[in-house]
Amino acid sequence: DIQMTQSPSSLSASVGDRVTITCRASQSITTFLNWYQQKPGKAPKLLIYGASTLQSGVPSRFSGSGSGTDFTLTISSLQPEDFATYYCQHSYSTPPSFGQGTRLEIK
Amino acid sequence: QVQLQESGPGLVKPSETLSLTCTVSGGSISSSSYYWGWIRQPPGKGLEWIGSIYYRGSTYYNPSLKSRVTLSVDTSKNQFSLKVSSVTAADTAFYYCARHWGSSSSELDYWGQGTLVTVSS
Repeated sequence: DIQMTQSPSSLSASVGDRVTITCRASQSITTFLNWYQQKPGKAPKLLIYGASTLQSGVPSRFSGSGSGTDFTLTISSLQPEDFATYYCQHSYSTPPSFGQGTRLEIK
Repeated sequence: QVQLQESGPGLVKPSETLSLTCTVSGGSISSSSYYWGWIRQPPGKGLEWIGSIYYRGSTYYNPSLKSRVTLSVDTSKNQFSLKVSSVTAADTAFYYCARHWGSSSSELDYWGQGTLVTVSS
């Protein structure tokens, strides 16, 4: 199985900050990498697929990059509604495992 | 707009079988473009992919759960289902159904709201 490792596990930031979350795969997954946002008590929401393609309706302040084993999710200017937990997930093979999550908190 | 809704018992006894159904509305489960998946999340913890199924019945399982998990689909009711046998407290989690776009392990673009299943006597 491919292991996904996110860093940091938690992050404190302020509204307006630029934030970057990293995800590393245990082997190359080319660009088969997805990012999700989960708010308390809610289901995860797809933000980015294929490492860099924004899902319809997702604000352009979210962006993704990377290929192979190293990927990043960037939020260019944090908004109050962005404080949540973020998960990466590979879709290269079965099982399509998730990272452990990054909790983004208000500073 | 596609919607998914999980249903089933919220409490299951240890050693028994957990059974959940996901009802899809606003679209056909028989579309060739999608696979249908289950994901779970223990309270306060991360996400675990359980498995996925195609409308024709092809199934794909997480090896860590494969011996205890069965997925099935009922196209006449636009539903798919999950069974987990011999449950223990470690199976207590929020269970989500979701849609895979394009393949059995692709991105999950629509999710149900989730249902909490507690394993306890």
